[in-house]
Amino acid sequence: EVQLVESGGGLVQPGGSLRLSCAASRFTFSSYEMNWVRQAPGKGLEWVSYISSSGSTIYYADSVKGRFTISRDNAKNSLYLQMNSLRAEDTAVYYCARQEVEYYFDYWGQGTLVTVSS
Amino acid sequence: QSALTQPASVSGSPGQSITISCTGTSSDVGNYDLVSWYQQHPGKAPKLMIFEVNKRPSGVSNRFSGSKSGNTASLTISGLQAEDEADYYCCSYASGSTFIFGGGTKLTVL
Repeated sequence: EVQLVESGGGLVQPGGSLRLSCAASRFTFSSYEMNWVRQAPGKGLEWVSYISSSGSTIYYADSVKGRFTISRDNAKNSLYLQMNSLRAEDTAVYYCARQEVEYYFDYWGQGTLVTVSS
Repeated sequence: QSALTQPASVSGSPGQSITISCTGTSSDVGNYDLVSWYQQHPGKAPKLMIFEVNKRPSGVSNRFSGSKSGNTASLTISGLQAEDEADYYCCSYASGSTFIFGGGTKLTVL
């Protein structure tokens, strides 16, 4: 079965940076669009960013635009999220999610917790 | 963009049916038949239950069904079972090539 495993979360001070990774396996990673979705503690899901299968097309939620950068390495079957200028409101579990062409998320990782606090 | 509007909570007894609504705008739910629904148990990752308004992935019970009218999508769960107790989120593709989620609905099976 498809596997997505996030890593890289942790505690970071406001204004700091963190890089999340998502290791994909058991499917042809280079054929799929990917996304990051986050969930603040006790809150709902929030879409963060999208990247096309080749990496040539990228979109961001307004809340992270200019601070976060999504990327991928198809040779390494990996998805990344570089997070800069982190704020307390970025505290959340970050999920990577595979996107089907019909605009839905069919597989999700287990998530990695990012805590922004001094 | 604001989150899609879902009721905070719904409840039902085993065997009953419940419906969760998801209201958006003409820029998201009303403009695209690209609404999906996700089930999330505490501490777990979301699980896809419905895509493209009313399609079920393989392995999802036919007790789950979806529909849409105008700017409002709905998820119906029939024959409620204890294991259906979870949080449910709707999601719509939106103009500007973004996705927007609902605020989530906590389903309690009495």
